[in-house]
Amino acid sequence: KQEVTQIPAALSVPEGENLVLNCSFTDSAIYNLQWFRQDPGKGLTSLLLIQSSQREQTSGRLNASLDKSSGRSTLYIAASQPGDSATYLCAVIGGSYIPTFGRGTSLIVHP
Amino acid sequence: DAGVIQSPRHEVTEMGQEVTLRCKPISGHNSLFWYRQTMMRGLELLIYFNNNVPIDDSGMPEDRFSAKMPNASFSTLKIQPSEPRDSAVYFCASSLVGQGDEKLFFGSGTQLSVL
Repeated sequence: KQEVTQIPAALSVPEGENLVLNCSFTDSAIYNLQWFRQDPGKGLTSLLLIQSSQREQTSGRLNASLDKSSGRSTLYIAASQPGDSATYLCAVIGGSYIPTFGRGTSLIVHP
Repeated sequence: DAGVIQSPRHEVTEMGQEVTLRCKPISGHNSLFWYRQTMMRGLELLIYFNNNVPIDDSGMPEDRFSAKMPNASFSTLKIQPSEPRDSAVYFCASSLVGQGDEKLFFGSGTQLSVL
């Protein structure tokens, strides 16, 4: 059974810092990995999707990497802003097409 | 497309009552997922439909929960009878599986409170 772990569980940083959020998974036989953002009381918004054949994806200040062999993905946020404050979740889609989610990293960026 | 649409946004009910949550997936998507989110357990998959057929319902907590997908554009999750421990946010998500993308899209969720 796929297990997904996200470290750290919570992070508080000053504005302007570059951040790395980590996601690890136990079964490397995956189709893709997707990063989401969730604001308090809201649904999940897709940020980036990395196919299993890809190493990384970029969108604006966000960069996500994938290392299937080691079962790890990282989400890099450059020049963090208070508006980046949210919970970030990763989801791993395996052979059954069922997404398995981590518990998320709660990020606070203070001015 | 309007995205995944869930209703109602909020539901407050009394213990023992029947609750029905509704979901309209994105047009053209062939897979639909129901998730439950709580502080204690995070996001839990309840049931997964592919082409309107339930593929994996191992996450459905007990017989009080049931889900249907009568057609490609509509699904329901029913709780009967409801209990206070069912209080959570219930999300519906859809994707197009088998085309090499499988990007998952979520609805805004239903906040359920059982008193």
